[in-house]
Amino acid sequence: EAGVTQSPTHLIKTRGQQATLRCSPISGHTSVYWYQQALGLGLQFLLWYDEGEERNRGNFPPRFSGRQFPNYSSELNVNALELEDSALYLCASSLNSRAGQPQHFGDGTRLSIL
Amino acid sequence: RKEVEQDPGPFNVPEGATVAFNCTYSNSASQSFFWYRQDCRKEPKLLMSVYSSGNEDGRFTAQLNRASQYISLLIRDSKLSDSATYLCVVKGGSNYKLTFGKGTLLTVNP
Repeated sequence: EAGVTQSPTHLIKTRGQQATLRCSPISGHTSVYWYQQALGLGLQFLLWYDEGEERNRGNFPPRFSGRQFPNYSSELNVNALELEDSALYLCASSLNSRAGQPQHFGDGTRLSIL
Repeated sequence: RKEVEQDPGPFNVPEGATVAFNCTYSNSASQSFFWYRQDCRKEPKLLMSVYSSGNEDGRFTAQLNRASQYISLLIRDSKLSDSATYLCVVKGGSNYKLTFGKGTLLTVNP
């Protein structure tokens, strides 16, 4: 069974540009979560999508946005990139959003802002 | 108080040692608890869920104390391959998101 897949693996952008990161969940999983892991800050929750709807977002500015498609894959968009957006962006999926369901992570997209 | 707090570490232990990781969480409405491990520059991988009655998986034992809002992970007979960062993870409240501790780095030495 294929795990969570993310693309691209690495992305290099400059300040002010826009970045799009993609995620395909494990087959059958309907919930997709996005996290940012910046150096020294641990994993920070960004966004949660379930059944095509945004269910919750973390403490990030509106220039971080995303969507979930009918096939449950998801995109994370970051506009007006800033240097501090450089981080590993991890996508995770779970079977559903009920308590007790663990999340399984993709390999991540490493975003570097020059 | 941080939502999830872990021992800051790092821990350096010899092969065969027993290692204990501690974690506390602030949201008493938390519903689910997990330990993840993360290798350097890799994604977090689920190690085990933590159940109220405590649970064991081979050399790994996890315990939960809801009254104290405390979670622990014990690794017995540690191996070189156990070297990683161990993340305490809590899920629940109204938003179902996972909240991660900052992780504790474990290095097992030959």
